[in-house]
Amino acid sequence: QITLKESSPTLVKPTQTLTLTCTFSGFSLSTSGVGVGWIRQPPGKALEWLALIYWDDDKRYSPSLKSRLTITKDTSKNQVVLTMTNMDPADTATYHCAYRPGSNYGAAFLGWGQGTLVTVSS
Amino acid sequence: QSVLTQPPSVSGAPGQRVTISCTGSSSNIGAGYDVHWYQQLPGTAPKLLIYGNANRPSGVPDRFSGSQSGTSASLAITGLQAEDEADYSCQSYDSSLRGYVFGTGTRVTVL
Repeated sequence: QITLKESSPTLVKPTQTLTLTCTFSGFSLSTSGVGVGWIRQPPGKALEWLALIYWDDDKRYSPSLKSRLTITKDTSKNQVVLTMTNMDPADTATYHCAYRPGSNYGAAFLGWGQGTLVTVSS
Repeated sequence: QSVLTQPPSVSGAPGQRVTISCTGSSSNIGAGYDVHWYQQLPGTAPKLLIYGNANRPSGVPDRFSGSQSGTSASLAITGLQAEDEADYSCQSYDSSLRGYVFGTGTRVTVL
């Protein structure tokens, strides 16, 4: 059974750095083709892809947010961490991590965490 | 910001067939990148419904089907049920943006 769970502060102030942690089980980020991504959803708005890290440590970022994002993995802990700098109220959203199995599924995200709501406010 | 356009809402009576369109461009769907569909029930995380344009993961009813043509894709729900009331989003890859893109999302209402 694949599970993912996000953890983060619920409230951050503008200009602060947000650190999001995804802890997963049921798959290995050492398996060829596997990736873990971050996707966010502002209240009442569409999903937005942020970043993805692959089993071989290849990293991809949303071009519009690339300068603010850093994604890393700790395979031994089954964790993926995303940091986002210079937070703004417009970054208020539910942040999900998701499992990309690759192979037959291509770029689809097969498993998702429940999400963590982050509010940016002074 | 979304580069994939979906209708904001569609509705249908129980048992009816509804379709949701996902319109992209020559740098995403039209370039041959696969389209995937997600269902998001109220207050829950997205669930993969269709991958690779037309494939269903294990456990997804065959009432759900996907197709792709040109720069667009579609999700069809046949035999609409009350439990299908949810938000649906498409996803693909965009070569110009060099990243994954999601659709604007569609709310399905069962009348």
